[in-house]
Amino acid sequence: GESVGLHLPTLSVQEGDNSIINCAYSNSASDYFIWYKQESGKGPQFIIDIRSNMDKRQGQRVTVLLNKTVKHLSLQIAATQPGDSAVYFCAEKGRFTGGGNKLTFGTGTQLKVEL
Amino acid sequence: DAGVIQSPRHEVTEMGQEVTLRCKPISGHNSLFWYRQTMMRGLELLIYFNNNVPIDDSGMPEDRFSAKMPNASFSTLKIQPSEPRDSAVYFCASSFLTGDEKLFFGSGTQLSVL
Repeated sequence: GESVGLHLPTLSVQEGDNSIINCAYSNSASDYFIWYKQESGKGPQFIIDIRSNMDKRQGQRVTVLLNKTVKHLSLQIAATQPGDSAVYFCAEKGRFTGGGNKLTFGTGTQLKVEL
Repeated sequence: DAGVIQSPRHEVTEMGQEVTLRCKPISGHNSLFWYRQTMMRGLELLIYFNNNVPIDDSGMPEDRFSAKMPNASFSTLKIQPSEPRDSAVYFCASSFLTGDEKLFFGSGTQLSVL
């Protein structure tokens, strides 16, 4: 039978435009969130994080916004470049039953930068 | 630092064979994680070690999968016997448990079971 894989949302942007990637999280008690970037053939790489006592955090060309009311997280990339083409994952922190912090990853968004 | 090092980079094997994946975490990190990534299920956590002790293995799919961490600088994930549905990219990640939850991932092992 036909297998059904994850349908990654895809965001296509023109080089130089700003990109906004969205993520909904599930646990209202989560107090820490991370965005990861995964380029083809590589492992996920940390981009930026934010704790729940903040609404916004800025890095170099990237900004993460957190809306705890609606459990929504977004990653904004300014002046998108071809090198930004990748799959972007959000992750929220939970707890292992046996102790320790557990990151649960979203399904990811494919960002394609068009020249 | 060289980062998290995984080997082999690619592994092609036949159904029924034993497969061993290896990981060297970042020196000084005390937490190690094995993840599996497929198109069907995305990024799944298999097992988590803290100070070389397995803390949570609830993500290990079945008894054919086992993981060990004999010391702070080495971990293995073994599949015996392997099956075609085990084909995936397997990632190892490490972190330093100080409240900083950032995971550092290796480049992964692309496993193909024929």
